[in-house]
Amino acid sequence: NAGVTQTPKFQVLKTGQSMTLQCAQDMNHNSMYWYRQDPGMGLRLIYYSASEGTTDKGEVPNGYNVSRLNKREFSLRLESAAPSQTSVYFCASSINTEAFFGQGTRLTVV
Amino acid sequence: RKEVEQDPGPFNVPEGATVAFNCTYSNSASQSFFWYRQDCRKEPKLLMSVYSSGNEDGRFTAQLNRASQYISLLIRDSKLSDSATYLCVVNKDSWGKLQFGAGTQVVVTP
Repeated sequence: NAGVTQTPKFQVLKTGQSMTLQCAQDMNHNSMYWYRQDPGMGLRLIYYSASEGTTDKGEVPNGYNVSRLNKREFSLRLESAAPSQTSVYFCASSINTEAFFGQGTRLTVV
Repeated sequence: RKEVEQDPGPFNVPEGATVAFNCTYSNSASQSFFWYRQDCRKEPKLLMSVYSSGNEDGRFTAQLNRASQYISLLIRDSKLSDSATYLCVVNKDSWGKLQFGAGTQVVVTP
């Protein structure tokens, strides 16, 4: 049972580099999310996709772009990484408002 | 004011004791409420939904107070394995865009 799969699990970037975080779910969920989690801040929504082809900004979208390639996949792109983007990133998908999370990506920007 | 607020704790609880904590939410139109559990450096997982009439799942009891806009979680007969961060989650709107609190840390000691 794969559920929600995120890659990579760990990444170190230099300031200004770009990268894409990949997320795929095999539960046929319509809704998918990208969150970041920082100490003491809880989970903050970066972007949300209610269905294939639609995306909405969340609470902290600046510096990020997303792509809902199909129903299964929802990727998050950092075009020019900044140290403030050092965080743990979680992808999630949901049905009937229960969310299932990937294992997270620990990103460090130096 | 944050949309979902929680006491960060930690709540230090002797094994076998009862612990309870609340979460307040600001949007009176919120429709669905949940408690998620997050273990250190792991992804959040659904613990239980919170229904208007209150609900119980084994040693865990959740209550909703719409008038005062808070939900609560009570853990009876605490186990060492209950040590975790408990995230309060509120469904902001009909699209199922979940809003997370920062979490309450519970530490159960022998």
